[in-house]
Amino acid sequence: GQSLEQPSEVTAVEGAIVQINCTYQTSGFYGLSWYQQHDGGAPTFLSYNALDGLEETGRFSSFLSRSDSYGYLLLQELQMKDSASYFCAVMRSSASKIIFGSGTRLSIRP
Amino acid sequence: DGGITQSPKYLFRKEGQNVTLSCEQNLNHDAMYWYRQDPGQGLRLIYYSQIVNDFQKGDIAEGYSVSREKKESFPLTVTSAQKNPTAFYLCASSGTGGLAGNYEQYFGPGTRLTVT
Repeated sequence: GQSLEQPSEVTAVEGAIVQINCTYQTSGFYGLSWYQQHDGGAPTFLSYNALDGLEETGRFSSFLSRSDSYGYLLLQELQMKDSASYFCAVMRSSASKIIFGSGTRLSIRP
Repeated sequence: DGGITQSPKYLFRKEGQNVTLSCEQNLNHDAMYWYRQDPGQGLRLIYYSQIVNDFQKGDIAEGYSVSREKKESFPLTVTSAQKNPTAFYLCASSGTGGLAGNYEQYFGPGTRLTVT
């Protein structure tokens, strides 16, 4: 079957660094994406990894290890506006569709 | 401005009524998707379409129907057969270049449907 696992909640302090992990089990794995969703809003794309290693985009970085079926999203210099839910999503080669995880709710304290 | 529009933002219906949610995109994307999101949950795929006049069932298609007569439009009908239709519905689109398509999905603002 297919499954994605990520922590349901994470709390961090403003200005700190936080890592959100994602493990997956799926056939036809092609890549791992991350999306951010604020309460009541639509998900927005953050990053995509098809190859092993770290991809950096400003304060956000994403990592993938295909051999471990594992990835993470790293958020640095946390700001209050980063409080949101973060979803990892697996892209499969069998079709143009993405499987989303259940999301990690990130709460940031001053 | 390119993007995806969904209307209405909030929708209220009585049980037993069919309701159609609108989704329009002007991004010239081939692929379009409908997701359902329940409180505190991830996104579950209802239907997707990779080209005009073609669509495929997702993981939770029962009680829903779609059409794709135009590239820009992918309306979703929630039928009376859907047992628990109250949810947040999100439409998305993406390009389909390459073997596995375009990895970035663009989402509309969503429609919050309440059925009583």
